[in-house]
Amino acid sequence: EDQVTQSPEALRLQEGESSSLNCSYTVSGLRGLFWYRQDPGKGPEFLFTLYSAGEEKEKERLKATLTKKESFLHITAPKPEDSATYLCAVPIGSNYKLTFGKGTLLTVNP
Amino acid sequence: DSGVTQTPKHLITATGQRVTLRCSPRSGDLSVYWYQQSLDQGLQFLIQYYNGEERAKGNILERFSAQQFPDLHSELNLSSLELGDSALYFCASSVTGNYGYTFGSGTRLTVV
Repeated sequence: EDQVTQSPEALRLQEGESSSLNCSYTVSGLRGLFWYRQDPGKGPEFLFTLYSAGEEKEKERLKATLTKKESFLHITAPKPEDSATYLCAVPIGSNYKLTFGKGTLLTVNP
Repeated sequence: DSGVTQTPKHLITATGQRVTLRCSPRSGDLSVYWYQQSLDQGLQFLIQYYNGEERAKGNILERFSAQQFPDLHSELNLSSLELGDSALYFCASSVTGNYGYTFGSGTRLTVV
């Protein structure tokens, strides 16, 4: 069965303490992997799309990487404003509908 | 502002009632997707429309229905509401073949 699993469920960091979030997937014929950021009570905000193993994308303190089985979202020297839930998603089935993992709740303390 | 507009932002209603949630997609986007987000289930795909036609269905309850109108706005109708239907409902849109959904800010539905 096609699945998307994110770990850890929650991560608490001190400001400046770098870490990584994991998204593992079991999908035949990956057609892309998407990362979103979601603030409480708001809609998910698109961050990155990765299409092939070895691909990397960067935005400010965030870097997303992709292997054949998983993706990592690396957060370098995080700031309190990076606190949010980070979601990954993959298209499963037809018609481009995205299946989301349950997310990692990141809290960065000053 | 993401360009995807959802109304209302908040809705409180009683069990057994019917509500309609509205979504206006980003300009130029032909596809509209509806998702339900609850604390225990995360983001769950409900239904997709493309240029007025239904394209894909997820685990959408029979009490729920949706449509997309000629001006591309979409409505999600929820009927015979139960306490468990309380959740955030998101609409997202995309252009043809573009996986990068743009989400609206959601409608928070509370059933009492």
